[in-house]
Amino acid sequence: EVQLLESGGGLVQPGGSLKLSCAASGFTFSIDYAMSWVRQAPGRGLEWVSGITGSGTTTSYAASVKGRFTVSRDNSKNTLILQMTSLRLEDTATYFCARKAGWGRGYYDGWGQGALVIVSS
Amino acid sequence: YVLTQPPSVSVAPGQTATITCHGDNIATYNVHWYQQRPGRAPVLVVHDDDDRPSGIPERFSGSNSGSPATLTISRVEAGDEADYFCQVWDRTRDPPDVFGTGTMLTVL
Repeated sequence: EVQLLESGGGLVQPGGSLKLSCAASGFTFSIDYAMSWVRQAPGRGLEWVSGITGSGTTTSYAASVKGRFTVSRDNSKNTLILQMTSLRLEDTATYFCARKAGWGRGYYDGWGQGALVIVSS
Repeated sequence: YVLTQPPSVSVAPGQTATITCHGDNIATYNVHWYQQRPGRAPVLVVHDDDDRPSGIPERFSGSNSGSPATLTISRVEAGDEADYFCQVWDRTRDPPDVFGTGTMLTVL
């Protein structure tokens, strides 16, 4: 069973930084599985934030976070990371890590429970 | 790329709910659907237009033979009350992943 567990959320001031981690278990966290971060502002819909291929060599970002967020992964530690800098009020959201179903698959078949990030002064 | 869904759909128990997902040339994409109950993570209910993951009831079905793409829930139950999101992926597009605006399904 796919298990994803986010950590690192919390309260941060505007302009600050925060690092989210996603610990994966129940499957082989390898080049076979691309991963993404998807966020949801309070009372709003889902917004794709960032993605990384299974090997970690290719990353992509939403325009709203490009240049401020960095996604990475350590396949030896079964961990996905989102480093967030220059945080803004509008970055307040629950951040989910999610697993793409397999190479070339466009859908997410596993989700974490989410980590809440609050950007406020 | 924008995927537009109706904000809300209401249906009585036992009836059929249809949730639409509008996007330019959406028939050229594989459309995926997620159910999200309050305070919970999304759950995949339909992938690749009309495939169901294991464990998802047959009451959930999808179609994408022409705009819009649709998610149909037959014999709706109280437990189906949730938000539903469509999603498409195109590796050549920036951003590659797009989610629909979301539909809140209310069971009357």
